[in-house]
Amino acid sequence: KNEVEQSPQNLTAQEGEFITINCSYSVGISALHWLQQHPGGGIVSLFMLSSGKKKHGRLIATINIQEKHSSLHITASHPRDSAVYICAVNAGKSTFGDGTTLTVKP
Amino acid sequence: NAGVTQTPKFQVLKTGQSMTLQCAQDMNHNSMYWYRQDPGMGLRLIYYSASEGTTDKGEVPNGYNVSRLNKREFSLRLESAAPSQTSVYFCASRQTGSVDGYTFGSGTRLTVV
Repeated sequence: KNEVEQSPQNLTAQEGEFITINCSYSVGISALHWLQQHPGGGIVSLFMLSSGKKKHGRLIATINIQEKHSSLHITASHPRDSAVYICAVNAGKSTFGDGTTLTVKP
Repeated sequence: NAGVTQTPKFQVLKTGQSMTLQCAQDMNHNSMYWYRQDPGMGLRLIYYSASEGTTDKGEVPNGYNVSRLNKREFSLRLESAAPSQTSVYFCASRQTGSVDGYTFGSGTRLTVV
């Protein structure tokens, strides 16, 4: 069983919808990261969290340390948000989820 | 531009050949990482270096060696390439203890025939 589980694996939404991607982990961590991988392959870091909530533009990330769970929310989704979203945890060494493929249709 | 530079971007090797993937960062980060990404799969850690002079195995280290040449550079070597090593390789860096996340290189697409 992977130490980091993401759900859903695939998600299709209509433009404007509110999106939630979930990440659960089974190990003690020092931080959790959300990454975005564009269709062209490039990977960018969206958030690093160790507690609470962070917001950047239309993106919001939350973490519940006690429940070992994090969520990434996208408000007012847009086709340019179509990408793979990856959750990663630092537990000594970094461990990545398999990613959630998001497609936003116009 | 500041960031992580990986070379080469593409490479085709024959089975048994060797090669070194180069990675350099100019952000003064202490930690550097090598990952592979296979089609439809997540990133898997090959090796990492928490600081200059130290390296540690990740999830899938077999068939690879690394060198943390200095704080800026972290290279990945395939001594005898195998078709199973066909993958996209990403180098990344971060400053542990900071509020910033990872910075990734643009990737190396390696095909072993």
